Amino acid sequence: GAVVSQHPSRVICKSGTSVKIECRSLDFQATTMFWYRQFPKQSLMLMATSNEGSKATYEQGVEKDKFLINHASLTLSTLTVTSAHPEDSSFYICSARDHPGELFFGEGSRLTVL
Amino acid sequence: ELKVEQNPLFLSMQEGKNYTIYCNYSTTSDRLYWYRQDPGKSLESLFVLLSNGAVKQEGRLMASLDTKARLSTLHITAAVHDLSATYFCAVDHTYNTDKLIFGTGTRLQVFP
Repeated sequence: GAVVSQHPSRVICKSGTSVKIECRSLDFQATTMFWYRQFPKQSLMLMATSNEGSKATYEQGVEKDKFLINHASLTLSTLTVTSAHPEDSSFYICSARDHPGELFFGEGSRLTVL
Repeated sequence: ELKVEQNPLFLSMQEGKNYTIYCNYSTTSDRLYWYRQDPGKSLESLFVLLSNGAVKQEGRLMASLDTKARLSTLHITAAVHDLSATYFCAVDHTYNTDKLIFGTGTRLQVFP
């Protein structure tokens, strides 16, 4: 079946630096991908919709200047956490739907900001 | 605003027992999903329920959907330790059916 891959799976960075997380659809094209954030022992919260070739659509309360999303190709979306701070530490998960309509989630990326 | 609530939030149950997790959502939705999440891992798809009255079963888990009541249930039969995980239901966003709104999650612990 279709696979969505995320990289890196874990990243540790210093406060104030920027971190990029990649989300790839490995065997299908995805014009739309979604980014979720999950704090420990909490549910998944939708952050934004990544649209190939156009600007991302952010959910209310998500800072678009802090969480930069780029969807430059039909198989790749990136999430960049800019000037990361400890409160940005979280588990970030992307998803995409293939053409028959099945939804796939990436393996997740755990960000720890020191 | 679409809200999805689960109960209980935490469930500790003995092996061999049965229990049901409930998922209530606030507006109409075309699809309801159940996922399993193990600690530190991403989501594993369990069921996709597409219509009123839909029932699906896989092993010791059975999911059902009542769209009129806006309620889905995940029933656990004769629980075993391997079922210990967090279970989430999710529904399609009203206007964008690729966006999912997740429930609060139910953390299940099965003990001997």
